[in-house]
Parts: sequence; structure tokens; C-alpha cells
Amino acid sequence: ETGVTQSPTHLIKTRGQQVTLRCSSQSGHNTVSWYQQALGQGPQFIFQYYREEENGRGNFPPRFSGLQFPNYSSELNVNALELDDSALYLCASSLRQSDPYFGPGTRLLVL
Amino acid sequence: KNEVEQSPQNLTAQEGEFITINCSYSVGISALHWLQQHPGGGIVSLFMLSSGKKKHGRLIATINIQEKHSSLHITASHPRDSAVYICAVRSGETSGSRLTFGEGTQLTVNP
Repeated sequence: ETGVTQSPTHLIKTRGQQVTLRCSSQSGHNTVSWYQQALGQGPQFIFQYYREEENGRGNFPPRFSGLQFPNYSSELNVNALELDDSALYLCASSLRQSDPYFGPGTRLLVL
Repeated sequence: KNEVEQSPQNLTAQEGEFITINCSYSVGISALHWLQQHPGGGIVSLFMLSSGKKKHGRLIATINIQEKHSSLHITASHPRDSAVYICAVRSGETSGSRLTFGEGTQLTVNP
């Protein structure tokens, strides 16, 4: 049984570029949530996917979008990157209301 | 005011001391999580609580639903307990439930 994995681990982009982050969920988990964690702060909910459908969204603009695949892995896409998008991006997989399993995160730096 | 407030923000202890971290929340919840985050960024779920008390090794978590308050206790603290401890609440019983996080408590245990 593999844990939650995320790729890449680190990424540097420039303003205006687009980025795709990936998350492979824990085996058997059908729900993936994405969070943004700025330095020194707690994570903020971006959105959640359940069985390939968006299932709740936080206070993030439409340039943050996502996808969940039939194998329950997921992508987070961010268009038109801004400096404030620099953060640790965490995904967490779970079975609906069960304990979330977090990935190690992708650290994004926007210059 | 944040929906989830933790105290203290920073805590330094000597090895062997008993430690308490507090969490207060202002929204209706279906569960409360205590999480541990190490410097690399990875998050580990310690407890999920909806009532009462849970114990795992030297860690104890309690929740008072009426007072909207939870505590995490560490007995006989050790330098390896040094990490950021985060309280998160799950709101929403049905689809789209999300975690709302506190800002975290940075714990440093000195030998």
C-alpha cells in the first residue's frame, strides 16, 4: 500500500506562467482535497474532488482549477501565476469523512 | 477573527515537561483533527475527534463540543516532538466537507 505522493517536490516559475501539480492518492481513497499553505500560516482549502467531480471549493479565483482521474489521482492547475501564489501545496486523500492522508507537498516559488 | 484559533503560537519546553496546546473554534463541526507538521512540510494526522478523549502513546487529545474547545497534551516531552502542531476542523456532514486549519503551534523541546 503506497502513501500519498505529490510531484514535483519543488518548482520555480515566473509571473504569468502556468503550473500543474500532481497528486496520487492513497490506495482505495476516492476523495482528494488540495490546500495552499503560505509560509508561517495554516493551510487554506482550495477545493475537493470526489469521484472525478469537484465537491466543494474555497475562496480561490477561477485560475485555480483541478481534475480527478478515474484512478482517483488528481491535478491542480494554476494559470497566470502571481507572486502570492508562492506556497506549499498539499493534497490529502481520504474516504469521504475518514482521516485524511497528506502528501509531502509541492513547494512552488513564483519569481 | 479566524474560525480556528490556536494557542500558544510558539512553545519552548524542556525535555520531560508536560505540554498543552489549545484550540478554539467558532463554527459547527463534524470532527476535529490534530495534525503534526515537520520542517520538510509533510503533515501527519495524529487524532480525529468528534467527542470525548483519545490517547495514543504519550499524546492525548480531548474535545468539549459545548465549549467548542480542544486540547492536545504531550506527556514526558522529547526533542523529537519538536514540530508544528495544527488543529483543523471539518465542517459539513455531506459532500464538500473541508478542513479549516488553525495557524499552528511551533513546539520546540530542548534536551
